[in-house]
Amino acid sequence: GENVEQHPSTLSVQEGDSAVIKCTYSDSASNYFPWYKQELGKRPQLIIDIRSNVGEKKDQRIAVTLNKTAKHFSLHITETQPEDSAVYFCAASEGGYQKVTFGIGTKLQVIP
Amino acid sequence: SQTIHQWPATLVQPVGSPLSLECTVEGTSNPNLYWYRQAAGRGLQLLFYSVGIGQISSEVPQNLSASRPQDRQFILSSKKLLLSDSGFYLCACPARGQGEDGYTFGSGTRLTVV
Repeated sequence: GENVEQHPSTLSVQEGDSAVIKCTYSDSASNYFPWYKQELGKRPQLIIDIRSNVGEKKDQRIAVTLNKTAKHFSLHITETQPEDSAVYFCAASEGGYQKVTFGIGTKLQVIP
Repeated sequence: SQTIHQWPATLVQPVGSPLSLECTVEGTSNPNLYWYRQAAGRGLQLLFYSVGIGQISSEVPQNLSASRPQDRQFILSSKKLLLSDSGFYLCACPARGQGEDGYTFGSGTRLTVV
């Protein structure tokens, strides 16, 4: 089955700096890579996703990149703000109704 | 779009007591349903998934069981809770129809076993 590794496990950045979270996956059949943000005590919420037919996707301050050959993908947050503080999960799936496999999570702290 | 209802939101139970957590889904039919546990505020561990009524797959051996008595109902149970069963339990289903292939999550149940 799919195995998703995520690092770092914790990340502290100064407000305004950029944050990068990296993930690798093992199953070459995976073609859908969502990222979830989980604020303290709340459910994970999708913040951005990317499919295997594109290499990069951007949504305001958030961007994701995907390297299918190397089987790794990354989340980039620019101009970080205190409200970006949360746990971020990367995930991989074959899409459709297939099971989603999550990374261990990265606890991001943005220091004002 | 799908909506997942989970209850209760919080639960404090003594060791050895039974457990029943319920998840119901609206806005879709015959969805795949998943139970996740999140311990220590971090990683999402898949406990069970179901592709249809009465069909349950267990991902990890444990003290818990799951049942799917109806198409849109998924129940997580235990006959005797252990301290290690404490955690944040999340129900999820595929988020098809929302332009994504990931999951929609319920609001979760925070279980503390004392």
